Amino acid sequence: ERVMTQSPPTLSVSPGERATLSCRASQSVNNNLAWYQQRPGQAPRLLIYGASTRATGIPARFSGSGSGTDFTLTISSLQSEDFAVYFCQQYDSWSPLTFGGGTKVEIK
Amino acid sequence: QVQLVQSGAEVTKPGASVIVSCRTSGYTFSDYDIHWVRLAPGQGLEWMGWMNPNSGGTNYAQKFQGRVTMTRDMSISTAYMELRTLTSDDSAVYFCARPSTNVWARFHYWGQGTPVTVSS
Repeated sequence: ERVMTQSPPTLSVSPGERATLSCRASQSVNNNLAWYQQRPGQAPRLLIYGASTRATGIPARFSGSGSGTDFTLTISSLQSEDFAVYFCQQYDSWSPLTFGGGTKVEIK
Repeated sequence: QVQLVQSGAEVTKPGASVIVSCRTSGYTFSDYDIHWVRLAPGQGLEWMGWMNPNSGGTNYAQKFQGRVTMTRDMSISTAYMELRTLTSDDSAVYFCARPSTNVWARFHYWGQGTPVTVSS
């Protein structure tokens, strides 16, 4: 099983600042890595797939990078609607598909 | 547009079973797999398994083997997830999700979630 570890668990950021979230895989997932945003009471929203491709309708302030075992999601200038929980997911192996534990981005 | 609409919240007792439905529209139901993912309080997202609506074939995460069954009703483009022998650890919000392509299990479309509470 590919274990996904996200850090930090909580990130306190002021509006307008940059946020950098990390996701590490226990073994290589190539670039088969997705990022999701989840707001309270809502379904997850796909932000990034293929480690760096923005999904349809996702603002350019969201960017993803990395390959293999280390990945980063960057939000260049935090807007009020960006304060949420972010999850990474590997889909390189389906045995099983696995998600990280999440990073909560909160207002500083 | 693609929509996945799930059944409402459930409250049930330990040892019981729950069935969550996921009614789809806006695309050909048989063309895309349906996956089930849950989010427990204070936990991360957890993948439970998937079903191919065309064949009815399934693949369950080992953790849920023997306790989960995923089925579908092609006539109403609806997928179902049954989880049995519930414990308080199964209290979570359950989501159905659809990928944009069956080759890569990244989820572009999600149901709204169904809260399941297991309590005596």
